[in-house]
Amino acid sequence: AQSVSQHNHHVILSEAASLELGCNYSYGGTVNLFWYVQYPGQHLQLLLKYFSGDPLVKGIKGFEAEFIKSKFSFNLRKPSVQWSDTAEYFCAVNEAGKLIFGTGTRLQVFP
Amino acid sequence: EPEVTQTPSHQVTQMGQEVILRCVPISNHLYFYWYRQILGQKVEFLVSFYNNEISEKSEIFDDQFSVERPDGSNFTLKIRSTKLEDSAMYFCASSDVAVNTEAFFGQGTRLTVV
Repeated sequence: AQSVSQHNHHVILSEAASLELGCNYSYGGTVNLFWYVQYPGQHLQLLLKYFSGDPLVKGIKGFEAEFIKSKFSFNLRKPSVQWSDTAEYFCAVNEAGKLIFGTGTRLQVFP
Repeated sequence: EPEVTQTPSHQVTQMGQEVILRCVPISNHLYFYWYRQILGQKVEFLVSFYNNEISEKSEIFDDQFSVERPDGSNFTLKIRSTKLEDSAMYFCASSDVAVNTEAFFGQGTRLTVV
């Protein structure tokens, strides 16, 4: 079965700093990959997704992610974070319809 | 924009009681899911449902859990005899197909078992 690893559990940044959150999945083949964000007290919202095609995916709020098949990775990036990006970020892979989530990365951005 | 709705937003129940969590998926979606998130932990898959039957269930989804689509719009999760460790946020999700698509999540129901 698939598994998803997020190595950064807690990231603290100042506003305008660049962000990269790591995500690795366990095995290859055709994969659907996702990044979800969960703002405090809210539900999961989709940031971006990869199904096929261009491995550099652009999402909402200035986020992007790069699918690197050889590294089984789908890292999330943002060139300049804002205080409002403070949230929990979850990477997920679709396995036969169900989503397998990583443990999440808590991002805190200070003004 | 269509959305998945869940009720109630927060439920407090006594240990041993039955609870039913309700979800209204997006109307043209065919695949339905329940996930849960224990406080401070990752989101875990519970069950998927398609064509009026369970497609897949996780180890968490034991005999205490059941799902039902009682009519054309609702999708429910029942926990027969709640335990303290069932306290969690429960998310319903739906999608139009199984793969190469996005699952839409509801706002969640926070279940507190006391």
